[in-house]
Amino acid sequence: EVQVVESGGGLVQPGGSLRLSCGVSGFTLSHYYMHWVRQAPGKGLVWVSQIKTDESTTYYADSVKGRFTISRDNAKDTLYLQMNNLRVEDTALYYCVRGWNGAFDGWGQGTTVTVSS
Amino acid sequence: QSALTQPPSASGSPGQSVTISCTGTSSDIGGHNYVSWYQQHPGKAPKLMIYEVSKRPSGVPNRFSGSKSGNTASLTVSGLQAEDEADYYCNSYAGSDIFVFGTGTKVTVL
Repeated sequence: EVQVVESGGGLVQPGGSLRLSCGVSGFTLSHYYMHWVRQAPGKGLVWVSQIKTDESTTYYADSVKGRFTISRDNAKDTLYLQMNNLRVEDTALYYCVRGWNGAFDGWGQGTTVTVSS
Repeated sequence: QSALTQPPSASGSPGQSVTISCTGTSSDIGGHNYVSWYQQHPGKAPKLMIYEVSKRPSGVPNRFSGSKSGNTASLTVSGLQAEDEADYYCNSYAGSDIFVFGTGTKVTVL
């Protein structure tokens, strides 16, 4: 069974940093592209970032480019999202998601990030 | 990277069909066949219902079907059941390894 567990969320002040982690089981992380998707309270889903299997090829939504960094450690079956210079509008539930055939087929329960002074 | 456009709401009685549209551009929906649909119940994580426009993952009932014409994709739920009441989101590949979600549609079973 595919399992994805996010952690690392919390309350941070504007301009601060946070690092999210995502542990996976039930599949081999190194075989899959991985993504982060976020959902602000009461709002819709927003794609944030993708990392390919090689650990170095990454892509970002314009809204987070230059502030967020996605990375992975295939040996540890863990995905990361380093978030710097956080803004109030980054407040959301952040999902770690497995990529599959151009879609997203394995979702965690998310970790909540709140940016507020 | 503008969100794809979905109607805010849709509804139908049990047993009826409901169709949700998802409108994009030639850069996303119109230019690629990586259109997917997600079901999200309140407080739950999204679930993949349709991928590559019209394919169903294992375990998804065949009451759910997808299609695409030009820059618009559609999800049809036939034989509506109470458990189909949820939010539905479309997603499309938009080129250059970027993806975009739709604005979401709340489906109500009357």
